[in-house]
Amino acid sequence: ETGVTQTPRHLVMGMTNKKSLKCEQHLGHNAMYWYKQSAKKPLELMFVYSLEERVENNSVPSRFSPECPNSSHLFLHLHTLQPEDSALYLCASSQDPGMNTEAFFGQGTRLTVV
Amino acid sequence: DAKTTQPPSMDCAEGRAANLPCNHSTISGNEYVYWYRQIHSQGPQYIIHGLKNNETNEMASLIITEDRKSSTLILPHATLRDTAVYYCIVSDLNNAGNMLTFGGGTRLMVKP
Repeated sequence: ETGVTQTPRHLVMGMTNKKSLKCEQHLGHNAMYWYKQSAKKPLELMFVYSLEERVENNSVPSRFSPECPNSSHLFLHLHTLQPEDSALYLCASSQDPGMNTEAFFGQGTRLTVV
Repeated sequence: DAKTTQPPSMDCAEGRAANLPCNHSTISGNEYVYWYRQIHSQGPQYIIHGLKNNETNEMASLIITEDRKSSTLILPHATLRDTAVYYCIVSDLNNAGNMLTFGGGTRLMVKP
């Protein structure tokens, strides 16, 4: 247990579906992150939220829409995805923005787009 | 792009020390070196980090060269459960948070 919980653990969705991934952290952290890990590729940083504001968007297509309603929760809303979006989506949190502290990762959501 | 270079794979005998090298020749003065590992199908797990001095915790030791251009992660007594992909990362710290850029890592196989 890392203190970062992601749901669901597995998700299969069609290309016309809308779904959301949820991440919750119980560590009192102020920064939260979404990463994507495709097969045989390094982890790619998608979004960074600091104090509930989005501060980084790494050229992610608009079919991925993040939401951070409070410092403990982070969502990734998905719509009209493509099969190549199938991947492991990982959420992470760290203590304070601007500090050199470790990040804690959730177990990820394994997404399959059919 | 990742700022580090690691061998793609290594083997280690169970019970022996595993020494994982990492080159980060372009590291700047205020950047830290972080090590994470990822066991199959799980999220990455933090191991250790350092700036200049060698560091040790209950999981591993981190040896950073004096010029800071390379480092070595040492698992003193590797077990089968240490089989994982090990990532060496140079932090890209800004006011937004600790932006970790992952490379390909080293796939460590601990063998009986």
